[in-house]
Amino acid sequence: DIVMTQSPESLAVSLGERATINCKSSQSVLDSSNNKNYVAWYQQRPGQSPKLLFYWASTRKAGVPDRFSGSGSGTDFTLTISSLQAEDVAVYYCLQYDTTPLTFGGGTKVEIK
Amino acid sequence: EVHLVESGGGLVKPGGSLRLSCAASGFHFSAYNMNWVRQAPGQGLQWVSSISSSSTYIFYADSVKGRFTISRDNARNSLYLQMNSLRAEDTAVYYCASQDGSLEDWGQGTLVIVSS
Repeated sequence: DIVMTQSPESLAVSLGERATINCKSSQSVLDSSNNKNYVAWYQQRPGQSPKLLFYWASTRKAGVPDRFSGSGSGTDFTLTISSLQAEDVAVYYCLQYDTTPLTFGGGTKVEIK
Repeated sequence: EVHLVESGGGLVKPGGSLRLSCAASGFHFSAYNMNWVRQAPGQGLQWVSSISSSSTYIFYADSVKGRFTISRDNARNSLYLQMNSLRAEDTAVYYCASQDGSLEDWGQGTLVIVSS
């Protein structure tokens, strides 16, 4: 199974400041045949279901604010919130969908400092 | 607009059974692979099972293999999860999610509590 290791577990950031979340896969999730990384990022606000933010590691889903960005390739991936807003308080998860079982990172809780 | 609505959760004793349902609308259900993902109280997300659009390919997490059965009815735009031999560690909110590459849209979840 591919293990997705997320860091940090929690993060407190001031409003308007940058938040950076990392996700490392235990093996490459880059498909060389199509040059796509099979990683997605999700936001789960308190009491809500997860919402897709990015797929193919860096393709923003329609409607996601552009203060969010996804990057990385191979085994190392990053979700960045460039200017934290109050509504960004949530737990963020990475997911690899390269192989079954699909596996999630452990989650990163983002709070306001 | 995509809607996924799970139902069928509840309180069940260890060793018991439950059947979860997920009603889909707002998209071409029969063209999409579908998944179940669960979240134990206060914990992270765990993939449970997936089924391809025509039910040809089915996969399970090791933790539920042999106990859970995923199925779908494309005529009814519905996804199911038959859960047998339930254990305390199966206690979780169960989400259905459509898959177009990644897990794209999620329902609001249904809570399953396994307790005596």
